[in-house]
Amino acid sequence: DIQMTQSPSSLSASVGDRVTIACRASQSISTYLNWYVQRPGMTPKLLIYAASSLESGVPSRFSGSGSGTDFTLTISGLQPEDFATYYCQHSYTIPPTFGQGTKVDVK
Amino acid sequence: EVQLVESGGGLVKAGGSLRLSCAASGFTFSSYTMSWVRQAPGKRLEWVSSISSRGNYIYYAASVKGRFTVSRDNAENSLHVEMTRLRLEDTAVYYCVRRVVGVETGSDYFDPWGQGTLVTVSS
Repeated sequence: DIQMTQSPSSLSASVGDRVTIACRASQSISTYLNWYVQRPGMTPKLLIYAASSLESGVPSRFSGSGSGTDFTLTISGLQPEDFATYYCQHSYTIPPTFGQGTKVDVK
Repeated sequence: EVQLVESGGGLVKAGGSLRLSCAASGFTFSSYTMSWVRQAPGKRLEWVSSISSRGNYIYYAASVKGRFTVSRDNAENSLHVEMTRLRLEDTAVYYCVRRVVGVETGSDYFDPWGQGTLVTVSS
């Protein structure tokens, strides 16, 4: 199975900050990489697919980049509703696997 | 509006069985691969199983293979998972999710997710 590792596992930030979350795959997955956000008490929601494609309705402050094994999710200008946990997931092969999550909380 | 609503969760003893269902609406259910993804308390999301649009291809995670059986009823727009020989480590919120293939990218992703149903396995 392909292992997905996110860093950091948690971070503290303030409203307006630029936040970067990294995701590394244990082998090359091209751009078969998705990002989800899970707000407290809510169900996961798709943010980015195919490494850099913004899901419809997702604010443009979210962006994704990377290919191969290294990927990044960037939030440019953190908003109050962005304090949540973010997960990366590969869709390169079966089984699809998720990173351990990165919790973004208030500094 | 695309909607997925899970049901059937609850408390069960280790070794027991449980059947989860997912009612889909707002899209052509029979055109999509559907999946189950679970999240144990404090753990990362874990893919459990996927079933193709017509039900002729089914895949399972190694951790549930041989114990879980996924099925679908396209006439009823419903997805099911029969869970047997349940273990303590099967305790999790189980999400029903739709697998979408991006037209431009050919890459697939899970969207949307149901609200989840909690399965608790006790000793």
